[in-house]
Amino acid sequence: AQKVTQAQTEISVVEKEDVTLDCVYETRDTTYYLFWYKQPPSGELVFLIRRNSFDEQNEISGRYSWNFQKSTSSFNFTITASQVVDSAVYFCALSEASTGANSKLTFGKGITLSVRP
Amino acid sequence: DTAVSQTPKYLVTQMGNDKSIKCEQNLGHDTMYWYKQDSKKFLKIMFSYNNKELIINETVPNRFSPKSPDKAHLNLHINSLELGDSAVYFCASSQVQGYNEQFFGPGTRLTVL
Repeated sequence: AQKVTQAQTEISVVEKEDVTLDCVYETRDTTYYLFWYKQPPSGELVFLIRRNSFDEQNEISGRYSWNFQKSTSSFNFTITASQVVDSAVYFCALSEASTGANSKLTFGKGITLSVRP
Repeated sequence: DTAVSQTPKYLVTQMGNDKSIKCEQNLGHDTMYWYKQDSKKFLKIMFSYNNKELIINETVPNRFSPKSPDKAHLNLHINSLELGDSAVYFCASSQVQGYNEQFFGPGTRLTVL
């Protein structure tokens, strides 16, 4: 069974600090996909990134970067020079490819990030 | 143009009532989903439909009945509402299977009094 653990529940930083959000996953599949979503205070869910299990290259998008390590089953998310607008709940999610049409997203419990000015 | 839309955005109702939430996507996706987000922000899938066919039903009480009149629409009807049904319900869609990126609607906040 697939499982996602986000051990951090709440993180508070001061603007311009770097912050890393941890995500650990469990799956028996060799082919799977990992995601990060952002939920700002307005409530919508915003897709940030999708990674497949065969691509362990780190990804950087502006101030955001992701570190995927299969050896530790982790897919961590770092925000560099955080800003107040980064305040949100961040969800890591996993989907297994073997289930085909039954494939579904399993979410972690989310990490509430507060960035103080 | 909104990719995935839901109506209504807020729904306040009494216990025992029946209510519906509508969802439409204009992305041309084949698969649509309903998720429930509880008061602790935990997101859990309820249903998925692929081309109007029910694919996933995650042990949701049968008071919840999804209906997909066509692949662009997935509505959620809830009978005999209970206090524990209070939550935010999100509709989502994706191309083909669930391991593709899912686009979420804005959510419907349901409050049962």
